[in-house]
Amino acid sequence: AQKITQTQPGMFVQEKEAVTLDCTYDTSDQSYGLFWYKQPSSGEMIFLIYQGSYDEQNATEGRYSLNFQKARKSANLVISASQLGDSAMYFCAMREGWNSGGSNYKLTFGKGTLLTVNP
Amino acid sequence: DAEITQSPRHKITETGRQVTLACHQTWNHNNMFWYRQDLGHGLRLIHYSYGVQDTNKGEVSDGYSVSRSNTEDLPLTLESAASSQTSVYFCASQPDSTYNEQFFGPGTRLTVL
Repeated sequence: AQKITQTQPGMFVQEKEAVTLDCTYDTSDQSYGLFWYKQPSSGEMIFLIYQGSYDEQNATEGRYSLNFQKARKSANLVISASQLGDSAMYFCAMREGWNSGGSNYKLTFGKGTLLTVNP
Repeated sequence: DAEITQSPRHKITETGRQVTLACHQTWNHNNMFWYRQDLGHGLRLIHYSYGVQDTNKGEVSDGYSVSRSNTEDLPLTLESAASSQTSVYFCASQPDSTYNEQFFGPGTRLTVL
């Protein structure tokens, strides 16, 4: 089973509108973290936002927010007021399984969602 | 400013040749990673290291090796390049905190003919 599932290969949104990119995850660990990265056409990987499994509030960073629904194992990225520069590939990733006596820094990535913002 | 660099940025090689991709970071991070990115697969972990002399296999390690002789560098070697290893390769590093993101290099586009 895939650990990170992004069910939307491509999404379209009008400029200035909000858009939600879906991410579901699979883990049996209690301690884990969820990350979103943006990859524009230039190719670099840009970190957007992080949500820890114990965080009670949804993470927000400027126009980005993470809709974290722990019971449903979903961590959707919400981009408010889309801009043309938001057109990019977006990846959801998970870090799992750290506990006392050991650390795990590995990330598992989803296959990505290509977002296109239309003027 | 601290940074993470990869070289070369583009490389074309032939099947069967040995290829080494360089990764260098100046943050003094203990943790370094190599991923490959292929259409339809996202990023997949090849190898990773949590410190000098430490190396570990990732999800797609066959045909690749790494060595860590200092904190700053984690070179990735393709022992005998195959066409299936044509991909974009990303190096990343991270400090010793599970709450931190990974910082990615600019990537190396490798073509194996």
